[in-house]
Amino acid sequence: DTGVSQDPRHKITKRGQNVTFRCDPISEHNRLYWYRQTLGQGPEFLTYFQNEAQLEKSRLLSDRFSAERPKGSFSTLEIQRTEQGDSAMYLCASSLVPPGQGGYEQYFGPGTRLTVT
Amino acid sequence: LAKTTQPISMDSYEGQEVNITCSHNNIATNDYITWYQQFPSQGPRFIIQGYKTKVTNEVASLFIPADRKSSTLSLPRVSLSDTAVYYCLVGDRSGNNRLAFGKGNQVVVIP
Repeated sequence: DTGVSQDPRHKITKRGQNVTFRCDPISEHNRLYWYRQTLGQGPEFLTYFQNEAQLEKSRLLSDRFSAERPKGSFSTLEIQRTEQGDSAMYLCASSLVPPGQGGYEQYFGPGTRLTVT
Repeated sequence: LAKTTQPISMDSYEGQEVNITCSHNNIATNDYITWYQQFPSQGPRFIIQGYKTKVTNEVASLFIPADRKSSTLSLPRVSLSDTAVYYCLVGDRSGNNRLAFGKGNQVVVIP
């Protein structure tokens, strides 16, 4: 399977714990995105990377959220000191955007469902 | 990013053509119209994108009137497996490609 993969698919944690999610994009894709989706809502953009550079992070929900893409391949999203309000589906997407061009088709992974108790 | 308005939900019978509308009154000149489909417990999946008039692919057709203030996604002869949430998005194709999803339209296909 050459699609976007995410790990784990489900995570249950206690309030106050740190969690880290991993995303493996489609191999040749240079852009990687993180979204959060709560029940009954559409996905909400959090941050994105162009190769290893994080080009927008202003939408990260608080300073407890951080993301990395150290080698321009896989990415991790970490939530520190989790709160019950962090319970949601965390989606990763990737796309191939040639230099100087745009695009709008993003390929999403299956998501990681986080439950904070 | 231009805001979109869609009906919250709609039902359709299996085998019928389903037309899903989206309003985007403030669409900008450089904005494209894109539709995504999302099944439960899965990430959204790109369906189709257009700028004006009509676009067709193997999955759906997208109709965009001349003023571009609305669009209609048409799914021919739906099956039960087309039950999903359908999102309409507008935005330009440059820059960060940050997708702005609304609540979408829950389509339920009935046997």
